[in-house]
Amino acid sequence: KAGVTQTPRYLIKTRGQQVTLSCSPISGHRSVSWYQQTPGQGLQFLFEYFSETQRNKGNFPGRFSGRQFSNSRSEMNVSTLELGDSALYLCASSGTGMGETQYFGPGTRLLVL
Amino acid sequence: DQQVKQNSPSLSVQEGRISILNCDYTNSMFDYFLWYKKYPAEGPTFLISISSIKDKNEDGRFTVFLNKSAKHLSLHIVPSQPGDSAVYFCAASVAGAQKLVFGQGTRLTINP
Repeated sequence: KAGVTQTPRYLIKTRGQQVTLSCSPISGHRSVSWYQQTPGQGLQFLFEYFSETQRNKGNFPGRFSGRQFSNSRSEMNVSTLELGDSALYLCASSGTGMGETQYFGPGTRLLVL
Repeated sequence: DQQVKQNSPSLSVQEGRISILNCDYTNSMFDYFLWYKKYPAEGPTFLISISSIKDKNEDGRFTVFLNKSAKHLSLHIVPSQPGDSAVYFCAASVAGAQKLVFGQGTRLTINP
């Protein structure tokens, strides 16, 4: 079974721009979660989607948003990029979503200049 | 407020010996705990998990121990192999929620 895939793998943007990252979960998985990893803050939860609905949300500003499609693929969007948004963005998927193990994709490395 | 803490940023172990990685948590609502292994520029790889109704779970060379009264869990790797060199994260979640709270990670180096 194919794992979680994320595109693009690397991205360079400038301050003020916006960016969209994509995640395709493991086949059959319906829950998709997003995390941000930075050297200073570590791995932090952004939000989780299940059946096209946001079910959980972390403590990030409204510039960070996401959505999930009917095929469980998910996108996250960051508007008005700041230098501090430079990070590794990780997507994880799980089955029914309730207390199940999350499996991570390779991540998208975003650099904001 | 860091709810999950890994107090050792790094650990060095000789090949063939036991590696013990530790993790402490403060939120008594956490009931599911996981360990992930991570290489640079890659996503975390799931290793092993444990539910709060258990105090031990084994999978091959990996064993996780949970001490609920001390709010402490540990990962034992026996025997340690060079391929085990990576950063290890412990994570915890509250019942039914898919929000994982991660520790800061411990860099494990296995020396030949």
